[in-house]
Amino acid sequence: KAGVTQTPRYLIKTRGQQVTLSCSPISGHRSVSWYQQTPGQGLQFLFEYFSETQRNKGNFPGRFSGRQFSNSRSEMNVSTLELGDSALYLCASRFGQLNTEAFFGQGTRLTVV
Amino acid sequence: TQLLEQSPQFLSIQEGENLTVYCNSSSVFSSLQWYRQEPGEGPVLLVTVVTGGEVKKLKRLTFQFGDARKDSSLHITAAQPGDTGLYLCAGDSGTYKYIFGTGTRLKVLA
Repeated sequence: KAGVTQTPRYLIKTRGQQVTLSCSPISGHRSVSWYQQTPGQGLQFLFEYFSETQRNKGNFPGRFSGRQFSNSRSEMNVSTLELGDSALYLCASRFGQLNTEAFFGQGTRLTVV
Repeated sequence: TQLLEQSPQFLSIQEGENLTVYCNSSSVFSSLQWYRQEPGEGPVLLVTVVTGGEVKKLKRLTFQFGDARKDSSLHITAAQPGDTGLYLCAGDSGTYKYIFGTGTRLKVLA
């Protein structure tokens, strides 16, 4: 079966712009989590959605938001981009909630200039 | 704040050597996962350990979960260049914030 698909793979944006990233989980998986990965901070948890509801949120400012659709696909949005938002954004798909095994997409590499 | 500390942070070894990576926390975890990540790709799940004291083997990789479920280790026997990558431990200690360890970057030289 198909894996986790993230689009786009690469993105360059200017400070102050906003961006929307997309994640399609493995078929049948209802949980989608988002992570930010930077060389200095490692992998940081952004939020988790399960059955269209945000179940948990990491310690990120309100500029970071997300949503999940009825088909389990998820989007995350970052508004008013800052240089420090440059990172690899990873989406993880799970059958259940956070304490089950995660399967990751290839990520979206966001560069803010 | 929960933390999963991994050591060492960086490791460069010759092909054929053995190594151990540690993942430690002050919190108890219901389970821990180990992932390997290659540059520009997402982490790939290697194993899940659930029971305190559990040992799992995946070819040349041996994973152990501490008796108190606060720590875990990954041992690689006869490392090969294909083992090169970033190794991450991760888990949920029950507060519904799945956290990742600080990572161990392994380079195996041919």
